Amino acid sequence: DAGVTQSPTHLIKTRGQQVTLRCSPKSGHDTVSWYQQALGQGPQFIFQYYEEEERQRGNFPDRFSGHQFPNYSSELNVNALLLGDSALYLCASSVGQVYEAFFGQGTRLTVV
Amino acid sequence: AQKVTQAQTEISVVEKEDVTLDCVYETRDTTYYLFWYKQPPSGELVFLIRRNSFDEQNEISGRYSWNFQKSTSSFNFTITASQVVDSAVYFCAATGGFKTIFGAGTRLFVKA
Repeated sequence: DAGVTQSPTHLIKTRGQQVTLRCSPKSGHDTVSWYQQALGQGPQFIFQYYEEEERQRGNFPDRFSGHQFPNYSSELNVNALLLGDSALYLCASSVGQVYEAFFGQGTRLTVV
Repeated sequence: AQKVTQAQTEISVVEKEDVTLDCVYETRDTTYYLFWYKQPPSGELVFLIRRNSFDEQNEISGRYSWNFQKSTSSFNFTITASQVVDSAVYFCAATGGFKTIFGAGTRLFVKA
C-alpha cells in the first residue's frame, strides 16, 4: 500500500513565476492538508481539503491556492513566487481530522 | 487561536538515558486532538502518538509514554532508554476545527 506521494521532490523557480505541487493521499484517506516548513521551523498549516472543498485555511495569502480532485488527490498552486516562499512543502492525508495524518516526503521548493 | 509551544530547542542525551520532551498548547476548541510526530533527517514526518482532549489517561507504548494534563495544557512525551536512532526533530501538534498547529520542534541528539 503506497503511502502519501508528492511530486516533484525538488524544483527551482524564479521570482514571479507560478508553481504547482501535487499530492496523492494514502489509500482510503479522504482529507488532504498542505503545510509549509521553512528551514529549522515547524510545519505551518496552509489549508485542508475535504470533499473537493477547502475546509480550513491558515494565515497564507491568496497567492496560495489549492484543489482536490474526485480521487482525493490534491494540488497546491503558488502564484507570483517570492524568495520567502522557498521551503519544504508537505502534504498530509488522513481520515477526517480525528486520526493521525500521514505525511509525504515533501517537495523542496527553491525560489531564486 | 491555537498555539503549540515547545520550549526545548535542542536536547542532547547519552544512549540509554530517558528523555522527556515538553509541549504546552493553547486552544479554544472544546474538542481537540494532540499528536507527537518525529522528523528524521530524511524529512518525512512520522506519527508517534495521539491523544483526544476528552481522554486524559496516560499510556505507555513500547519505549514511548506520554503525560497529558488538561489542567496545565501540557502534553509531554518521554522516550525510555533512548537509542541513537531516536535522534531526530520531534514535533508536538494540536488539531481542532480542521486545523493543525505544530510547535517549532525539539531536536534530540542521542550520543552513543
